[in-house]
Amino acid sequence: QKEVEQDPGPLSVPEGAIVSLNCTYSNSAFQYFMWYRQYSRKGPELLMYTYSSGNKEDGRFTAQVDKSSKYISLFIRDSQPSDSATYLCAMPQGLNYGGSQGNLIFGKGTKLSVKP
Amino acid sequence: EAGVTQFPSHSVIEKGQTVTLRCDPISGHDNLYWYRRVMGKEIKFLLHFVKESKQDESGMPNNRFLAERTGGTYSTLKVQPAELEDSGVYFCASSQGLSGYEKLFFGSGTQLSVL
Repeated sequence: QKEVEQDPGPLSVPEGAIVSLNCTYSNSAFQYFMWYRQYSRKGPELLMYTYSSGNKEDGRFTAQVDKSSKYISLFIRDSQPSDSATYLCAMPQGLNYGGSQGNLIFGKGTKLSVKP
Repeated sequence: EAGVTQFPSHSVIEKGQTVTLRCDPISGHDNLYWYRRVMGKEIKFLLHFVKESKQDESGMPNNRFLAERTGGTYSTLKVQPAELEDSGVYFCASSQGLSGYEKLFFGSGTQLSVL
């Protein structure tokens, strides 16, 4: 079983739709959960992070963590064409063995397309 | 403020040749990371520098890969000799290294094609 699983999509939605993106993970030691957004031919950009369980909201974006199910979600409300990108979940695996906090394990990414 | 810059943006080489990738982190960032994405796979961690020291190189695939960060500023990643399976996008990232989670700032990557 992979440590982080993410459906690569692609996912196509109409403008204004609510988007739900998800990842599952297997290592219960993970404490930080991140969502990165990557536009075509660019590097990933940190969108949101959460610590432990619960919800975190930032504008149209909500990150949700359910540690009991090892399941994390990113919701995008009122999606816009500018949200079209690949969304990657990530967790700092380095913390589990005394390594670097910046040693992240990524999901494969879900490619999202928002149609006008 | 300039972001993380990587050079070249694309490199096409033949199997057995040597390639050197360069990364200039954000000024003042002590932490520098290298990641790689092979086609169809996840982005994977290669190594982490704190200033000029290698902090974590657990992701380096083999000894054909050599990373350096002389003077604690820019970094180079050399692949010698390159193999077909080394093709992919190599990302560099930097961070300030403050307490808590690490916010990484990524460059746009170097697309390496080994023919």
